[in-house]
Amino acid sequence: KAGVTQTPRYLIKTRGQQVTLSCSPISGHRSVSWYQQTPGQGLQFLFEYFSETQRNKGNFPGRFSGRQFSNSRSEMNVSTLELGDSALYLCASSLAGPRGGNTIYFGEGSWLTVV
Amino acid sequence: KNEVEQSPQNLTAQEGEFITINCSYSVGISALHWLQQHPGGGIVSLFMLSSGKKKHGRLIATINIQEKHSSLHITASHPRDSAVYICAVVGVRDSGGSNYKLTFGKGTLLTVNP
Repeated sequence: KAGVTQTPRYLIKTRGQQVTLSCSPISGHRSVSWYQQTPGQGLQFLFEYFSETQRNKGNFPGRFSGRQFSNSRSEMNVSTLELGDSALYLCASSLAGPRGGNTIYFGEGSWLTVV
Repeated sequence: KNEVEQSPQNLTAQEGEFITINCSYSVGISALHWLQQHPGGGIVSLFMLSSGKKKHGRLIATINIQEKHSSLHITASHPRDSAVYICAVVGVRDSGGSNYKLTFGKGTLLTVNP
C-alpha cells in the first residue's frame, strides 16, 4: 500500500511569507504527527492529530499551526516565516499514535528554505 | 540535560563488526522507538519497545525500564547499515492529559567501511 506522502518536497520562501505543507497518511491511519529537523536542534515534535483533534503540541510559537481533515490528511502552516524556520519538516502516521504498540511510518519530508 | 541521551555520537566500524548504540532517558516512558535515517532524509522505524527484547534480521533492540536504558545492536555490520540511528521516547501520560509526543535523541552516525 502507498506510504506517507508529503508535498511539496522542496520549497523556497522569503522571510515574512507563509507556507502550507501537506501530508497524506497511510490508508487507515488516523494519527498524524509533524516534526521539524534542523542540524542544530535535531528532531523536534510539532504536533499530533487524531481524528481531526490535536492531542499534543510541542514547544513552538503560535506561528506554527496544523489541522487534520476527515480523511486523515493533514496540513501544517507556518506564518511570518523566519530564517530559523529553514528545516526538514517530517510527517508520520500510525494507526493510533506513537505510544503503545503502534509502528510509526514517516514521509520523505518537505525541505523548506527561508531566504 | 536532554531527556534522551544517545552514545556514541559517531561510530565507525569495519564490515562484519558487532555494533552497539546506547540510549538513556530520564523520564518515565510508555514506549521507545529506534529509527534509522539515511542521507536525504527518509526515516524508517526499526523497532518499537515497551519492554524486553526484539530481533529483526541482524538487528536486536533491548530495553531495561528500571534502568531507563535501551540498546540497539547490529550483528555482522554491512556498509548498507551506514546511517543515523535515532532513539525516541513517548512519555507517560502526564497530569495535563494524554502524551502522544515523541522526544528524540540527537542520533548516532554510523559508518561501516568495507
